[in-house]
Amino acid sequence: QKEVEQNSGPLSVPEGAIASLNCTYSDRVSQSFFWYRQYSGKSPELIMSIYSNGDKEDGRFTAQLNKASQYVSLLIRDSQPSDSATYLCAVIRRAGTALIFGKGTTLSVSS
Amino acid sequence: GAVVSQHPSRVICKSGTSVKIECRSLDFQATTMFWYRQFPKQSLMLMATSNEGSKATYEQGVEKDKFLINHASLTLSTLTVTSAHPEDSSFYICSARGDSGTNTQYFGPGTRLTVL
Repeated sequence: QKEVEQNSGPLSVPEGAIASLNCTYSDRVSQSFFWYRQYSGKSPELIMSIYSNGDKEDGRFTAQLNKASQYVSLLIRDSQPSDSATYLCAVIRRAGTALIFGKGTTLSVSS
Repeated sequence: GAVVSQHPSRVICKSGTSVKIECRSLDFQATTMFWYRQFPKQSLMLMATSNEGSKATYEQGVEKDKFLINHASLTLSTLTVTSAHPEDSSFYICSARGDSGTNTQYFGPGTRLTVL
């Protein structure tokens, strides 16, 4: 089982819709969770971090964490064509260690 | 916000040559830097973890004699790809973590290496 799993997509949504991205992780002791956005040919940029169970909102983005289910999600409200990118879920198992990335989900927002 | 730079952004070299990539934290001290590699349509794979003043820790399958990492100061880490071959062509990305107590890592813009 891969450490961090994501559906590779592509996920296609119309402009203005809600995009829902999902991620599961295998190591139950993981303590920090991140969503990064990566445009083609560019390095990842941080969108959200979440450390405790529940929801965390930042603008149009909401991250959700359920440690019992080992599940992290990202909701993007009012999706825009500029949101079209690959979204990477990443996990840190122990403080100070490196990010472990999923393969990413490709999101396509059509106008 | 925290800024990490990488140089060069793109390099093309002949097979057998060595290439050095620099990673700098511009506005914070990076106690730990990480080097990742990304092949087309794949995710980032961790190559090594570098702590200032100590030897890097390499991931399984990454040759430490081929990918030389130096982290001589709190703002600079270098990755040298020695005797590069076409299969080393990839997107190399560094990230840096400060000592603020959070686990947040900040990524450099990446270096596209093409070995002919």
